[in-house]
Parts: sequence; structure tokens; C-alpha cells
Amino acid sequence: EPEVTQTPSHQVTQMGQEVILRCVPISNHLYFYWYRQILGQKVEFLVSFYNNEISEKSEIFDDQFSVERPDGSNFTLKIRSTKLEDSAMYFCASSAPGLVTDTQYFGPGTRLTVL
Amino acid sequence: AQSVTQLDSQVPVFEEAPVELRCNYSSSVSVYLFWYVQYPNQGLQLLLKYLSGSTLVKGINGFEAEFNKSQTSFHLRKPSVHISDTAEYFCAVSTGGYNKLIFGAGTRLAVHP
Repeated sequence: EPEVTQTPSHQVTQMGQEVILRCVPISNHLYFYWYRQILGQKVEFLVSFYNNEISEKSEIFDDQFSVERPDGSNFTLKIRSTKLEDSAMYFCASSAPGLVTDTQYFGPGTRLTVL
Repeated sequence: AQSVTQLDSQVPVFEEAPVELRCNYSSSVSVYLFWYVQYPNQGLQLLLKYLSGSTLVKGINGFEAEFNKSQTSFHLRKPSVHISDTAEYFCAVSTGGYNKLIFGAGTRLAVHP
């Protein structure tokens, strides 16, 4: 069964450093998402992406964040200058076109630790 | 704006007992409803979803949920739980299309022998 994959599974970085989190969505999917989950808190939407542009972004997704689909398979989330409060589990999700709405399939997550 | 409330942060239950995990939502527009499960150190897996039609929805692993529009609820049930059902369960809503999911805070189900 096809699945969303994410790398790395765990990333440790120093405050102020740039990080890139990588995701490979399911191959025929066209809609891509990033969510995050701070330890002990709810899963929060960051951004959605379709047709090579951002469809929607949350207040969390400020100028320090960017997303890119650099080729036909990868979808990346970049944090330019990490802060302590960026420490969280980051989930990538993808969905395929559907008549009403379609299931978002989630990857296993990348745990980001900012020191 | 939409919001989701999961009334119980933790639910302990004995193996083979029934369980209900509660979810209430708030929205000024029609929504689609989802339950996801997160096993330890894993990602989110869809259990079931309500888009339209029958208000009783059956999902994987013997779970089902009932959409109640008048009570704005979407409670998850299982008649007999197993140790392997121990996980975090998230209720979520979407306004449809390819819009974002809005999650509740989650309910940790702990099944004891």
C-alpha cells in the first residue's frame, strides 16, 4: 500500500540554524500539507500546497517558514532560523483529487528538537 | 471558524470492555468529520470519516462513529477493545474540498488486561 514517507525521523539543531524537512507524498496525490504537534498539544495545521503554490497557511506559518516541491516527488518544509518553540513533531500529509473531499494520508513525522 | 472538543484527555478501560470516545465540534458551515489514531511513535492513521449519508459510520479495527447534527457530536465507539487499541485518538473536522483539518486535543485510550 502506498504511503507518505518523511526524512529524517529525528532532527536536532541549534537555535538560529536552518532546517529542511523532507516528505515524499503518495505518487498520484496533488494536494500536500504540513502540520505540527508540539509535545502534549494538539495537531496544528501549518500550510497546504497545490499546483506549485500555497493554498492556505496558518498564523504559525510566518516568514521563517517556506515550502517547496523541488521535483516531481519531494515536498519540503524549510525553517530559516529555528527557535526553541519550533521544537515539535512535523507531519506531512497528502491527498488525491476527489468529488467531495478526500482523505489526508499522513507520514510518520519528523521530530525536530531545537537546542 | 471551526473547533473540535474532545472531552476526555484520557480513558482507561479493561480489555474486552466497550468504549466511547467523545467528540463535539463547532462550525457555522457544514463540515466533514474524521477520526484518526496515532499509535506510539507512529504517524496518524485514518480510522473512519463522515462525509454524508448514513450517520453511522464504520471504520477499521471494529470502530464506528455516529454523526449527530443536532448535538454537533461525532463520538467514537468500539464494543470490545483489545490491548492493541492502546493509542491516541484524534477527532478532526474539515470544511471540505482540500481544506485543512482542524484537530481536537486527542484522547489517550489505555487498555488494561
